[in-house]
Amino acid sequence: AQSVTQPDIHITVSEGASLELRCNYSYGATPYLFWYVQSPGQGLQLLLKYFSGDTLVQGIKGFEAEFKRSQSSFNLRKPSVHWSDAAEYFCAVGAPIKAAGNKLTFGGGTRVLVKP
Amino acid sequence: DAGVIQSPRHEVTEMGQEVTLRCKPISGHNSLFWYRQTMMRGLELLIYFNNNVPIDDSGMPEDRFSAKMPNASFSTLKIQPSEPRDSAVYFCASRQGRDEAFFGQGTRLTVV
Repeated sequence: AQSVTQPDIHITVSEGASLELRCNYSYGATPYLFWYVQSPGQGLQLLLKYFSGDTLVQGIKGFEAEFKRSQSSFNLRKPSVHWSDAAEYFCAVGAPIKAAGNKLTFGGGTRVLVKP
Repeated sequence: DAGVIQSPRHEVTEMGQEVTLRCKPISGHNSLFWYRQTMMRGLELLIYFNNNVPIDDSGMPEDRFSAKMPNASFSTLKIQPSEPRDSAVYFCASRQGRDEAFFGQGTRLTVV
């Protein structure tokens, strides 16, 4: 069974500081990996995704994520956060092959607070 | 495309009443998901459909919950009878193959 762990429930960062959100997954092969952001009162919006190839992927809003197979991790980073980055962030995994189904499994989320 | 459309956006109902949440997925997407989000339990997958067929309903809390997808452009999630502990935000999402899922704006359900 696939599973996702986001170890940090809350993170507080100062505006302009760097941000890294951790994501660890459990899956028998390399899954498809996603990061979503949820602003208050909104649905989830895709930040970036990884299917294969270059292990460093760029997303929207200045975010990037690095896939590390040896660590089963897909951590999200941003070099300099803005107050508008305050939100909840979700990591998700999906099976890479059709036979395994289309289910997406989400982590518990990390809530990011940005201090002025 | 207007994205995934959910209705209503907000629903307040009395305990014991039937509640029906509606979802219109993105045209051409072959998978549809219903999630529930609460502070205590986070984002939970309730059920998902592939080509209008329910594939995994193991997340449906109990028999009071039911979901249908009569065609590729419409799905409902019904709670009957509703209870206060069902209060949550319910999200619908759709997906084409193994690409990313697109989420609706959610329905905030309050059962009093």
